Amino acid sequence: SSELTQDPAVSVALGQTVRITCQGDSLRDYYASWYQQKPGQAPVLVIFGKNNRPSRIPDRFSGSSSGNTASLTITGAQAEDEADYYCNSRDSSGNLVVFGGGTKLTVL
Amino acid sequence: QVQLQESGPGLVKPSETLSLTCTVSGGSTSRSNYYWGWIRQPPGKGLEWIGSIYYSGITYYNPSLKSRVTISIDTSKKQFSLKLTSVTAADTAVYYCARQVTTVISDYWGQGTLVTVSS
Repeated sequence: SSELTQDPAVSVALGQTVRITCQGDSLRDYYASWYQQKPGQAPVLVIFGKNNRPSRIPDRFSGSSSGNTASLTITGAQAEDEADYYCNSRDSSGNLVVFGGGTKLTVL
Repeated sequence: QVQLQESGPGLVKPSETLSLTCTVSGGSTSRSNYYWGWIRQPPGKGLEWIGSIYYSGITYYNPSLKSRVTISIDTSKKQFSLKLTSVTAADTAVYYCARQVTTVISDYWGQGTLVTVSS
């Protein structure tokens, strides 16, 4: 079982803001990374560290963290943002890389 | 632009060894900044970290798979490899290789290869 917990599904109206969350005790000590995965494709890194984006990722994607919860925020969601989103980090021991169960984002 | 490509058999029999290779282009596996990792995804399910290797050859494995996994690197060929022994149907998955800034942060991924364990 995953030590990082995500809501299975979230929806957002086109152009609106959506927050996808990831909960886990280890997030008090370690940053989460976030990946976007579209059907039939490999995951793509969208956020890492405190709030860093690879250069190819639009600035509507941002990350934050508070306590045991990490969040991925999409400000002004676009149709192409519809995808599965996975968080990952270390477990509490620091020795294991763990992924959340994923959140399916639907853009209405 | 870094590109990674997995290669290996798409079908493995139960109890046998799964072997995959990842070939890196547009970059070097001998650079000290990076780790090189394997991540898998069973059909319709989430992602699971298998393990990672530093350019120097130091390895890090998922404890749940550690007894069956070996990851190695050949910097001269710009390749790194995965071996998973004693496979069962539960090992059926899409296997991805990735370049990693840390073992947590995978910034470039291969397209993935489906490996089915079946007799």
